[in-house]
Amino acid sequence: EAQVTQNPRYLITVTGKKLTVTCSQNMNHEYMSWYRQDPGLGLRQIYYSMNVEVTDKGDVPEGYKVSRKEKRNFPLILESPSPNQTSLYFCASSHPESNSPLHFGNGTRLTVT
Amino acid sequence: GQQVMQIPQYQHVQEGEDFTTYCNSSTTLSNIQWYKQRPGGHPVFLIQLVKSGEVKKQKRLTFQFGEAKKNSSLHITATQTTDVGTYFCTSGGDFGNEKLTFGTGTRLTIIP
Repeated sequence: EAQVTQNPRYLITVTGKKLTVTCSQNMNHEYMSWYRQDPGLGLRQIYYSMNVEVTDKGDVPEGYKVSRKEKRNFPLILESPSPNQTSLYFCASSHPESNSPLHFGNGTRLTVT
Repeated sequence: GQQVMQIPQYQHVQEGEDFTTYCNSSTTLSNIQWYKQRPGGHPVFLIQLVKSGEVKKQKRLTFQFGEAKKNSSLHITATQTTDVGTYFCTSGGDFGNEKLTFGTGTRLTIIP
């Protein structure tokens, strides 16, 4: 089954404790992206990747890192999480053409205390 | 990606009433995509529009792309409880999906 898999689904952590949210897709998509969703603000792009070893900042990249060593994986890294990073995170993938639909993972709800 | 504004932010309708959400841009859009997110779920692709003035239908849903390719609308006829959720529009860039920017979404609730 074609899918985007995110782990974990829920995560509660404390300020400053490094964490990684994993994202994997099995559709051979070149394009992958991370979004955060907050009430009233919609989906805001954190980072995206057009292909392996190519990553770029989205609209809200501060406090986040990503890597794209393999085509299927695009982990989101929070080196030193802070409470303002409490949010719902979505990973998505697609082919890179501008009219290619995004396939989203199920989301990761992160709480930083 | 190109900036899009979406209105209204919230809409409450009686079951059976119609619903419309609008997506607007100050610049010409290369295309428009619509997504639906059920409560507690993730966004799911509904449709994409590419051509000026394009109209597409999916059962009770009608999608339109403006003649100037600066706006789009999603209209639902005779809403049902299964239509509950948040509807997002977005537009890809001229060359690729790159910095895809989503509108803030319209959250639809249905009063049975």
